[in-house]
Amino acid sequence: AQSVTQLGSHVSVSEGALVLLRCNYSSSVPPYLFWYVQYPNQGLQLLLKYTSAATLVKGINGFEAEFKKSETSFHLTKPSAHMSDAAEYFCAVSSDNQGGKLIFGQGTELSVKP
Amino acid sequence: DAGVTQSPTHLIKTRGQQVTLRCSPKSGHDTVSWYQQALGQGPQFIFQYYEEEERQRGNFPDRFSGHQFPNYSSELNVNALLLGDSALYLCASSSQGLRETQYFGPGTRLLVL
Repeated sequence: AQSVTQLGSHVSVSEGALVLLRCNYSSSVPPYLFWYVQYPNQGLQLLLKYTSAATLVKGINGFEAEFKKSETSFHLTKPSAHMSDAAEYFCAVSSDNQGGKLIFGQGTELSVKP
Repeated sequence: DAGVTQSPTHLIKTRGQQVTLRCSPKSGHDTVSWYQQALGQGPQFIFQYYEEEERQRGNFPDRFSGHQFPNYSSELNVNALLLGDSALYLCASSSQGLRETQYFGPGTRLLVL
């Protein structure tokens, strides 16, 4: 069975500081990994995805994530936080044998202080 | 190019009633998945439709049912509503050639009183 653990339900950073949101996964088959962002009262927007190509994945809004198989991790980073980055972030896993079914973590709420 | 659309945006029902939620996939997509997101939690997979058939199902009771139409749009039906069914219901679409990449709609927020 696949699962996702997001470490830290809430992360707070200052504007301009590094953003690091942690995600660890469990999968018995090669995974596909995703980060989605959810702004208040909205649906989910795809930030980036890993599908077995380059291990360092660049996404929208300056975010990137690195797939580390040895650590079963897919942490999300952004060098400099902006006020508009405040939102809920979800890590998700899928695989070829799941037919597109996404397993989500519990989410991490990112706050950005001026 | 319109993305995934859902209707209605909000809905209030009472226990025991039935509800139907609607979803239109992104242009070019033929697969629709439904998720339930309870307050403060990550989305949970309900089921997926392709070629008008349910292809996968998550751990949800039979009260949850769905349908896909020839134009790929989809409905989610929930019967005998419980208070615990209150949640944001998200629809996601994808194409069979790239099933793992799903694009989400804005959701329907259901409140059961």
